[in-house]
Amino acid sequence: DAGVIQSPRHEVTEMGQEVTLRCKPISGHDYLFWYRQTMMRGLELLIYFNNNVPIDDSGMPEDRFSAKMPNASFSTLKIQPSEPRDSAVYFCASSLDFGGDTQYFGPGTRLTVL
Amino acid sequence: QKEVEQNSGPLSVPEGAIASLNCTYSDRGSQSFFWYRQYSGKSPELIMFIYSNGDKEDGRFTAQLNKASQYVSLLIRDSQPSDSATYLCAVNPSGGSYIPTFGRGTSLIVHP
Repeated sequence: DAGVIQSPRHEVTEMGQEVTLRCKPISGHDYLFWYRQTMMRGLELLIYFNNNVPIDDSGMPEDRFSAKMPNASFSTLKIQPSEPRDSAVYFCASSLDFGGDTQYFGPGTRLTVL
Repeated sequence: QKEVEQNSGPLSVPEGAIASLNCTYSDRGSQSFFWYRQYSGKSPELIMFIYSNGDKEDGRFTAQLNKASQYVSLLIRDSQPSDSATYLCAVNPSGGSYIPTFGRGTSLIVHP
């Protein structure tokens, strides 16, 4: 199994630009999570999906952030417009079930907004 | 605000020693507790989870949970330089919504 796949691995963009991060979960996993990690705030859960349906997006910081999961093998996290304070590492994770004991993280996307 | 607190460290221990990492949480109704290891520049990796009071052992790792005192700890026996990493504590809060709260992590350095 290739594990959770994320792209791009690094993204540098200018303030105001649209950024799209992509994630392919492990096949057969019903849950998909998007996290953000910064030195200041640590690791934060932004949103999670179950069977492609968004369940809880209360961690999404503001309306500039949106996430979709059009099918079981693909999800996107979009930031429009991007701001320098969005600079962080964004992780996608997937799991078989809700319990959290089978959650696997992708390698992350390091986003820098200039 | 549900808090998970960890000492940021770094915690420095000699090779072969026991490393003790601690985590306290504010939500008394929390039911699930997780320890992740994160190497520099890498993603978090789940290494232990515990649901019941007491100890849970897995190889060189032991998780300890005390719900009355609201703390969870991770012991690493026979520490190796390869254990040098940041260890994140995560707590699944009460209330039915799966939004785990992560601590900021403790940096562990195991020196030869």
